[in-house]
Amino acid sequence: DQQVKQNSPSLSVQEGRISILNCDYTNSMFDYFLWYKKYPAEGPTFLISISSIKDKNEDGRFTVFLNKSAKHLSLHIVPSQPGDSAVYFCAATKTGANNLFFGTGTRLTVIP
Amino acid sequence: EAGVTQFPSHSVIEKGQTVTLRCDPISGHDNLYWYRRVMGKEIKFLLHFVKESKQDESGMPNNRFLAERTGGTYSTLKVQPAELEDSGVYFCASSRWTGADTQYFGPGTRLTVL
Repeated sequence: DQQVKQNSPSLSVQEGRISILNCDYTNSMFDYFLWYKKYPAEGPTFLISISSIKDKNEDGRFTVFLNKSAKHLSLHIVPSQPGDSAVYFCAATKTGANNLFFGTGTRLTVIP
Repeated sequence: EAGVTQFPSHSVIEKGQTVTLRCDPISGHDNLYWYRRVMGKEIKFLLHFVKESKQDESGMPNNRFLAERTGGTYSTLKVQPAELEDSGVYFCASSRWTGADTQYFGPGTRLTVL
C-alpha cells in the first residue's frame, strides 16, 4: 500500500510562471519530507526538505509547504525555467528511520 | 568528490539467469541503500547497510535477492534466478549519517528480464 502519493503524473507550465507539485501521505508517523529531482538516465537529486516542526521551507526559487493536518505537501517553483523540466519525486520518512518512502513522481515540463 | 557510481548501467538477461549489480558509494559514507523502481511506479526501498552490516532488509522482495557489502565499501546486489517482474531500475544511494540525512543517489542500473 502506497504511503506517499503524487496524483498528477505530469504538469506543463509556461516559462516564468509558477509550478506547483503536490504530494499526499497517509502515515502520520512521517515527520521529515524531501523532494528529489530526476533527469533521464540519472539518479534522483535532493532538492529541498522540510521537517514537521515547520510549515514552510524556502531555498531560492523553491519553496516547500507542509500541511500536517491534511497530510499534504507541495513544492512551488517560481519562476519556472526550462531547465526545471524533470521528474519530481516526493519522499517521506520518520526521524531515526533510514528508508525513504517515495511517490510515483510528477513529470514537469516547462515550456519556453 | 566523486558521486555514487553503479555498474552496469543497463543489463538485459533471460529469465532464470543470474545478474549482479554493483554500487560504489561516496567515499566516507558508511550508509548504503538499495532501492528499486518498477516501470511507472514509486521508488521502493530494498535494504540499508551500515558499513558491512545489514541494518534493515525489510524491503527485499524475496530470497532470490542477495545483497552484500564486504569490507564496508562497495556493495553488490545479486538476483538469482531472475524473473520477469524483477525488471526495473535499481538505484543505490549513500549517506554519511543515518536517519533523515539526505541520501545521494547513483544513476541506477536498468535491468530488463526477458
